Amino acid sequence: GNSVTQMEGPVTLSEEAFLTINCTYTATGYPSLFWYVQYPGEGLQLLLKATKADDKGSNKGFEATYRKETTSFHLEKGSVQVSDSAVYFCALIGSGNTGKLIFGQGTTLQVKP
Amino acid sequence: GAVVSQHPSRVICKSGTSVKIECRSLDFQATTMFWYRQFPKKSLMLMATSNEGSKATYEQGVEKDKFLINHASLTLSTLTVTSAHPEDSSFYICSARGQGHSYEQYFGPGTRLTVT
Repeated sequence: GNSVTQMEGPVTLSEEAFLTINCTYTATGYPSLFWYVQYPGEGLQLLLKATKADDKGSNKGFEATYRKETTSFHLEKGSVQVSDSAVYFCALIGSGNTGKLIFGQGTTLQVKP
Repeated sequence: GAVVSQHPSRVICKSGTSVKIECRSLDFQATTMFWYRQFPKKSLMLMATSNEGSKATYEQGVEKDKFLINHASLTLSTLTVTSAHPEDSSFYICSARGQGHSYEQYFGPGTRLTVT
């Protein structure tokens, strides 16, 4: 079945450091891929998405490229801020699916001043 | 736009009682709502999918008689945890998807349930 695997956290970085959070997936066909962010005490928010191979999703300085050959959708940001501290979830919706999201386990990011 | 609210945000109840959690789409009509459960430091687990006016579809392993889901209108879905036990303590999150919104789900802020 479909699944998503994320790197274990927590990830602790200093402000302005480069961020990479790895995400790989297993799915048949051509899933749509998503990154969601959950700030402390809040619900999940869609950060970015990509719906086909080689698409790059981007938002608020974050980017992720849909790599079919490596079944990956790694999240990157060139310079993190303290306000980026949150839990990040990689997720997919399988092709032909009814829209059910399959989530990775989440990666906690802590950015220190 | 696309705001989803949940009520209550926190609830503490005694073992054996039932608790109802509401999920509302505030500025759009939600044809489909999803209910998730999130364990500490773990991912979200989809419990069920509900389409307005029809019975919810439960994921494997989720007891439909224990977690009653009603989606009676295009802006409201409810999850009732019946005869709650301490192991039901968790963070419950709903999401909503409207017509024409393709895959995008809008998430509520979650409800922290503690059963004593």
